[in-house]
Amino acid sequence: QQQVKQSPQSLIVQKGGISIINCAYENTAFDYFPWYQQFPGKGPALLIAIRPDVSEKKEGRFTISFNKSAKQFSLHIMDSQPGDSATYFCAASGGGNQFYFGTGTSLTVIP
Amino acid sequence: NAGVTQTPKFRILKIGQSMTLQCAQDMNHNYMYWYRQDPGMGLKLIYYSVGAGITDKGEVPNGYNVSRSTTEDFPLRLELAAPSQTSVYFCASTYRLAEEGYTFGSGTRLTVV
Repeated sequence: QQQVKQSPQSLIVQKGGISIINCAYENTAFDYFPWYQQFPGKGPALLIAIRPDVSEKKEGRFTISFNKSAKQFSLHIMDSQPGDSATYFCAASGGGNQFYFGTGTSLTVIP
Repeated sequence: NAGVTQTPKFRILKIGQSMTLQCAQDMNHNYMYWYRQDPGMGLKLIYYSVGAGITDKGEVPNGYNVSRSTTEDFPLRLELAAPSQTSVYFCASTYRLAEEGYTFGSGTRLTVV
């Protein structure tokens, strides 16, 4: 079954707006939660990551919010730009030998 | 520092042919992975390795084989190619799962006709 559930599948945001992508998990052994950004024709690249001992991590315009009790985490892109248009994947790992990925969100930022 | 290098970038195979997708990393990473990515389906794990000489199946291993004779290289072998194996293949590596994410290669786009 899907270990990490991601929504929405696609997202269209106006330039300057806030993009929000959500992920949920069930396995309480997960202890590391990265987000990846993938541009067409390229491999995914690590964007930002969080551990469950903090509720929020911010790097520039990108913020991860983490709710341990709800087993949910989300990516917020502030002041979204057309250059942010890409596919975003959430992932989780912990207690095993691999990351589990969400199914991806295709973000389009309209100028 | 090259990171993760995948070759070839593109390939067209005929049904029943075989090929090897190459993956090499120069970061001394213990963990290496092969994923396939189909449109709208996310990333599915084919095989992975936690060190030289150790490999294990992922979610979709049928039709593929791997070997890990060195820390640097993790080739993926397709035997008897089928149209269902048309996909984009990504190799990835990491040193420690709990401390850093994967480094991905740039991918191999494979079409089986």
